[in-house]
Amino acid sequence: DAKTTQPPSMDCAEGRAANLPCNHSTISGNEYVYWYRQIHSQGPQYIIHGLKNNETNEMASLIITEDRKSSTLILPHATLRDTAVYYCIVRDNNAGNMLTFGGGTRLMVKP
Amino acid sequence: DAGVTQSPTHLIKTRGQQVTLRCSPKSGHDTVSWYQQALGQGPQFIFQYYEEEERQRGNFPDRFSGHQFPNYSSELNVNALLLGDSALYLCASSLVPWAVARGNTIYFGEGSWLTVV
Repeated sequence: DAKTTQPPSMDCAEGRAANLPCNHSTISGNEYVYWYRQIHSQGPQYIIHGLKNNETNEMASLIITEDRKSSTLILPHATLRDTAVYYCIVRDNNAGNMLTFGGGTRLMVKP
Repeated sequence: DAGVTQSPTHLIKTRGQQVTLRCSPKSGHDTVSWYQQALGQGPQFIFQYYEEEERQRGNFPDRFSGHQFPNYSSELNVNALLLGDSALYLCASSLVPWAVARGNTIYFGEGSWLTVV
């Protein structure tokens, strides 16, 4: 069963920030939140992950709420190349290293 | 630093045939997982190999089998191919089998597109 809920699709104007939400209300204390994206016909690309603190890298920022029941992936200046399906994944405690992908959010960046 | 590499990139097989897909993990990684991604769906976990043994398995039939070699590379074998096996097959590698539990990263290859006709 999917442990995360994401909107199926979102649009964003080129150059603007893209804010992708994810709900994970059943997350437990030792579970990480991972974000991957998949550009058409390519393998999933790692973006960022976090446990409880906000994280930032060269690709994006991850904001996790204090109760850890939701998070937001922020692409600060979206480009056309950021058009992709974005997956928010919470590790399944019983599944070791397995990543369980839900439906993701299809982000369309428009000129 | 080479990432995860997979071969072949595309192939077409006939129902009932067998196929072997290959994966070389990212440099320094010793754990390999395989995923199947049908068109329009998210990737589904098939199995994971570590120290040349299958450590975890998803909900896939025994027609799907694998192997890991001493150099950590891996093969995915599918026997008695069905039309429904047509998909993108993804290989993912990590430093340890419990990478996710430790907040480590899992990297994916570009995949092998299998079409069964």
